[in-house]
Amino acid sequence: DQQVKQNSPSLSVQEGRISILNCDYTNSMFDYFLWYKKYPAEGPTFLISISSIKDKNEDGRFTVFLNKSAKHLSLHIVPSQPGDSAVYFCAARARRGDRGSTLGRLYFGRGTQLTVWP
Amino acid sequence: AAGVIQSPRHLIKEKRETATLKCYPIPRHDTVYWYQQGPGQDPQFLISFYEKMQSDKGSIPDRFSAQQFSDYHSELNMSSLELGDSALYFCASSPMGGWYGYTFGSGTRLTVV
Repeated sequence: DQQVKQNSPSLSVQEGRISILNCDYTNSMFDYFLWYKKYPAEGPTFLISISSIKDKNEDGRFTVFLNKSAKHLSLHIVPSQPGDSAVYFCAARARRGDRGSTLGRLYFGRGTQLTVWP
Repeated sequence: AAGVIQSPRHLIKEKRETATLKCYPIPRHDTVYWYQQGPGQDPQFLISFYEKMQSDKGSIPDRFSAQQFSDYHSELNMSSLELGDSALYFCASSPMGGWYGYTFGSGTRLTVV
């Protein structure tokens, strides 16, 4: 049962344009969301996160938007650069202390391969 | 800065053999997580340890076991290997019980033939 879903396996964007990666989740116990970037033969690298008490978090070229009512988040990269080409994973973490919550376990989507071309 | 170290990077084993994967967390990180990523799949949580005690258990087969040692490094032991165990195994570490960020290692690619 996939609790975090990334429905686009790939995205191709021209350099300088905006990249928008989408993620949906089903579990209302999730209270913290993260985006990871992964290059081949490397582990996932943390990119940006957002708490469920916020609807936007910005870090340089990267902005994450959270729509709790729709259980949807998105990662915007502006402007996109060829070095951004990688697989992007959306991940979610369950609320601490609630029945059935887990101490730091992350639930991942299947990733979106972003290709930024010159 | 020190990162999460995993060894070996690559491992080839035959069916029914045993494998041991090692993970050395970032210094002062007290929590270790293990994930398995099959081809084209999302990383799946296996097990985690906080202060040398198992803190959470996910979809880890009974053939697998893991522990965290006094120096906080962790080992994932896999027995009676099956072809379906071929995957990338990631270890991650975090400080303070896991609620303040994760750092992943580069992974161990296990191939079972």
